[in-house]
Parts: sequence; structure tokens; C-alpha cells
Amino acid sequence: RKEVEQDPGPFNVPEGATVAFNCTYSNSASQSFFWYRQDCRKEPKLLMSVYSSGNEDGRFTAQLNRASQYISLLIRDSKLSDSATYLCVVNHRGSGNTGKLIFGQGTTLQVKP
Amino acid sequence: DVKVTQSSRYLVKRTGEKVFLECVQDMDHENMFWYRQDPGLGLRLIYFSYDVKMKEKGDIPEGYSVSREKKERFSLILESASTNQTSMYLCASSPQGVGGPDTQYFGPGTRLTVL
Repeated sequence: RKEVEQDPGPFNVPEGATVAFNCTYSNSASQSFFWYRQDCRKEPKLLMSVYSSGNEDGRFTAQLNRASQYISLLIRDSKLSDSATYLCVVNHRGSGNTGKLIFGQGTTLQVKP
Repeated sequence: DVKVTQSSRYLVKRTGEKVFLECVQDMDHENMFWYRQDPGLGLRLIYFSYDVKMKEKGDIPEGYSVSREKKERFSLILESASTNQTSMYLCASSPQGVGGPDTQYFGPGTRLTVL
């Protein structure tokens, strides 16, 4: 079983739609959670961190449910420029402040005109 | 702006060749990472380093080695390239400290083809 699982999609949605991505993680000791965005043929970049209280950044809302080990990303009013692959990422923090990021395989979003 | 650069965007090598992939970051980050990314498998960690001359195996270190002689430079070495090492290789760096390792900054990637 993968440590971080995502539905790879693709999710094909029209402009203006609301779309939600989900992610589950297997290690209950995971401490930090993120969504990264990766455009086609580009490197991943941090989109937003995910907190237990939920957090919002413009049209993007991220939620964490520790009990269910579940992370979500909601995108409202989709734009063509939102087309990308969204990577769910968790941090297993080791001793001291050493840790490593575990990446899901990504969910691909295509926003159509 | 954090800048992570990789020596080549595209590389074609032959089976059995020794391959060097270079990564340089200009933000004085302590942590550096090498990943490979393959369709359906996502990013997989090959090796990482928390300090100069230190290295730790990631999830798939077999067939690879690394070198970190200077803080800003982290090299990935394929001792004897094989066709199953054809992949996109991504280097990343992150600062140390509270919350530090969480945000990783990636280079543009090197697409390696082994024939």
C-alpha cells in the first residue's frame, strides 16, 4: 500500500466549476501536510500547507482530518490556469528536525473553456 | 528568490556509462534531495543530505550514489547507467530549522534517457 494515495484522475471540468481532490495517508505519525502543484514539464512548487483547522487561500481551501488520515483540496471557480497536477505531500519528521517529504502520485486537473 | 539549478535539462546516455547529475542551490540551504519521477509512481526519494559530506539513503538508492562536498552542491551519480534508470530526475533543497524541511524548492529537472 502506498504511503500517500491519490486518485490520479484526470479530472476534466469546465471553467467556473468547483472541484475537490482527496488524499489519504497511512502513517498516523505524519506531522505536516501540504499540497504542491506541478505544471506540465515543470518542477513541483508548494501551493499551500494544510492545517487541522482548515485553511483558505483565495479560491483554494485545504482541509485535514487526522482521525481519518485524510486531506482534501477544494478549488472554487476553476480557471484555465489551474490546469496542472496536484501533489498531496506529508512529512514524516524524524529525530531533531530531520524529516522527509512523502509525495502522492498526483491528481491531474484539466480545466476546459 | 530561491534558485535551484540542475546541470542539464535533457541527457542521453548509453547503458553502462557513468552519469553525473549536478545540482546547485544559492540559498544556503542545509538540506538537499534527489528524486526521480516516473508516470504512475510519483516522486520517489533516492538520496538526501542534511549537511556537507553527509548523506542518507532514500527509498530507492540502489544503482545510485551521491556526493556533497560543498553546501551548495549535491551530485547524483549513476555508476553504471541502465535502461530502467531512464526517468526525470529532480533535485530539491530546503532550509533547516523549525518548519524548515517542509518546504522544498525544486530544480527544473533533468530528463535522462539511457539507451
